[in-house]
Amino acid sequence: QQQVKQSPQSLIVQKGGISIINCAYENTAFDYFPWYQQFPGKGPALLIAIRPDVSEKKEGRFTISFNKSAKQFSLHIMDSQPGDSATYFCAASLAGRDDKIIFGKGTRLHILP
Amino acid sequence: DVKVTQSSRYLVKRTGEKVFLECVQDMDHENMFWYRQDPGLGLRLIYFSYDVKMKEKGDIPEGYSVSREKKERFSLILESASTNQTSMYLCASSFWGAARGNEQFFGPGTRLTVL
Repeated sequence: QQQVKQSPQSLIVQKGGISIINCAYENTAFDYFPWYQQFPGKGPALLIAIRPDVSEKKEGRFTISFNKSAKQFSLHIMDSQPGDSATYFCAASLAGRDDKIIFGKGTRLHILP
Repeated sequence: DVKVTQSSRYLVKRTGEKVFLECVQDMDHENMFWYRQDPGLGLRLIYFSYDVKMKEKGDIPEGYSVSREKKERFSLILESASTNQTSMYLCASSFWGAARGNEQFFGPGTRLTVL
């Protein structure tokens, strides 16, 4: 119930293409869904996040699509660039005193130049 | 800018040694976390702390302990290092409370090798 399942484990996309990473969760009490981006040799950093009261959030080339009924959410990277090559983690958390974030297992994205 | 620093980028220790990993944050965050990151397993929470002298177990606390004597500092301790504790260790911090979005700020990580 506390898991966040992420797929695919790795992804190769041509420059200019659309990268899509999918996540699914079970616990309907989750109310915050962030995506973290991690470059080699660095710690993860927040990329974009969404709350379940909206179905989509866009920031530049990055879009989160959220399907509450299916308990799924996805990250779309439009016009993917070699600089987007990184590991991406989806995550979920609960409101309240417990500030833990439950992370997916990550997707290694490689954009071909 | 929020800054989370970890005492070492790379560390090599021998089996049975006591190992200290230090983490310091400069944003007055209430929460601090220790994760380990392994290929294919993602980020797994070891311990976290909501306040000074307070600690709670995460998903994989076995073989580890923590200490938080000051708000800005959170230490991870391997009492007797073993080879299966070879990993990347990441520290993170955040404000308390969902109203601030729960964003966690990560340090650069310590790659620990236990021989």
